[in-house]
Amino acid sequence: EVQLVQSGAEVKKPGESLKISCKGSGYIFTSYWIGWVRQMPGKGLELMGTIYPGDSDTRYSPSFQGQVTISADKSITTAYLEWSSLKASDTAMYYCVRIRVVRGVMSWVESWGQGTLVTVSS
Amino acid sequence: QSVLTQPPSVSAAPGQKVTISCSGSSSNIGNNYVSWYQQLPGTAPKFLIYDNDKRPSGIPDRFSGSKSGTSATLGITGLQTGDEADYYCGTWDSSLSVVVFGGGTKLTVL
Repeated sequence: EVQLVQSGAEVKKPGESLKISCKGSGYIFTSYWIGWVRQMPGKGLELMGTIYPGDSDTRYSPSFQGQVTISADKSITTAYLEWSSLKASDTAMYYCVRIRVVRGVMSWVESWGQGTLVTVSS
Repeated sequence: QSVLTQPPSVSAAPGQKVTISCSGSSSNIGNNYVSWYQQLPGTAPKFLIYDNDKRPSGIPDRFSGSKSGTSATLGITGLQTGDEADYYCGTWDSSLSVVVFGGGTKLTVL
């Protein structure tokens, strides 16, 4: 069974750094793209970026380029989402997802982590 | 504003059928696969439909998907109170080079 297990909820102050994690199991971690999806309170889903753990190829959605860093450690089948300086507007639920590629195109999200709630408040 | 347009809300009575639309363009729905996701209150989204009209293992056949041109539709028959949720469509956008989602539709089963 494919599982994506994320790290627990975080409460941080503006300006602080943060790195949240997502451990994949039940499949070949290096063979699937992993993404991070943001859901702000009461809002919809936004894909922030993706990484292919096999070769660490990383791609960011235009809105999130330069705002976060996505990385992965294939030795421990874990992906990460990192902020260097949090803002109150980063308050959201963040989901780790596995993405299916069909004929070279990222086509759908087939697995979701349970989510990590990040709260940024002074 | 989301790249894909969904109605904010739909409603129907238990046992009835409802459809949820998702409108896009040639750079997304028109030339790529559509998927659908169900998000029950307070939970992570769940994979519901892929490749426009296919159901993952374990998804009942009460849920169906279709696509025509630059629009897609999710259908739910035999509505149950447990179907009350937010529903999102998704697809690849070739111009933005990213997976995009609709703004979501809240289903109320009256």
